[in-house]
Amino acid sequence: NAGVTQTPKFQVLKTGQSMTLQCAQDMNHEYMSWYRQDPGMGLRLIHYSVGAGITDQGEVPNGYNVSRSTTEDFPLRLLSAAPSQTSVYFCASSYSPAGANLNTEAFFGQGTRLTVV
Amino acid sequence: AQKITQTQPGMFVQEKEAVTLDCTYDTSDQSYGLFWYKQPSSGEMIFLIYQGSYDEQNATEGRYSLNFQKARKSANLVISASQLGDSAMYFCAMRVWISSGSARQLTFGSGTQLTVLP
Repeated sequence: NAGVTQTPKFQVLKTGQSMTLQCAQDMNHEYMSWYRQDPGMGLRLIHYSVGAGITDQGEVPNGYNVSRSTTEDFPLRLLSAAPSQTSVYFCASSYSPAGANLNTEAFFGQGTRLTVV
Repeated sequence: AQKITQTQPGMFVQEKEAVTLDCTYDTSDQSYGLFWYKQPSSGEMIFLIYQGSYDEQNATEGRYSLNFQKARKSANLVISASQLGDSAMYFCAMRVWISSGSARQLTFGSGTQLTVLP
């Protein structure tokens, strides 16, 4: 009963390096999303996907890429890490709402604490 | 655009007392849902309670209840009989339904850090 699995849990990068944060869910959820959490700012949406092959930008997409080739996986790529990308990253998934019933809680991974030096 | 405002960065409550965490929201959509999540110091996000915009009664889940005032666009979380384990960050979030038959992703507030005092 894994739910949403994020790897790695911690990562330190040098400025300019690239890396991929992995996210996998085993609940057959259509919706998946990436958030970053910064002190005093809550969680801000980076990118999201409403199904395999469909992705879109959120509130703070610059410097990040995503793809969704399967229902299960939704990796987040940092193209050229910058100190401003130091944050805690959360992946979340949920069922798509049935009609206007929005009672579809999001399930979150454990988070990835990323430091860019 | 949707916006969630949590005006209390930090709150203190005595153990066994009730506490209200404020949340106001802004949306022009008629169909939306409001969620509360708890984030303990360990970092995980725990779903607490949900309220739909068309729900006529306030949602309740154990010691959690949601004081939903639609006209005032507020969705305050009430925790009764606070316990030491309730010390955590609490986030209010909203999801709106859009006419294309899908929904937007969750929009979060900045959070309220609750500390329960023994």
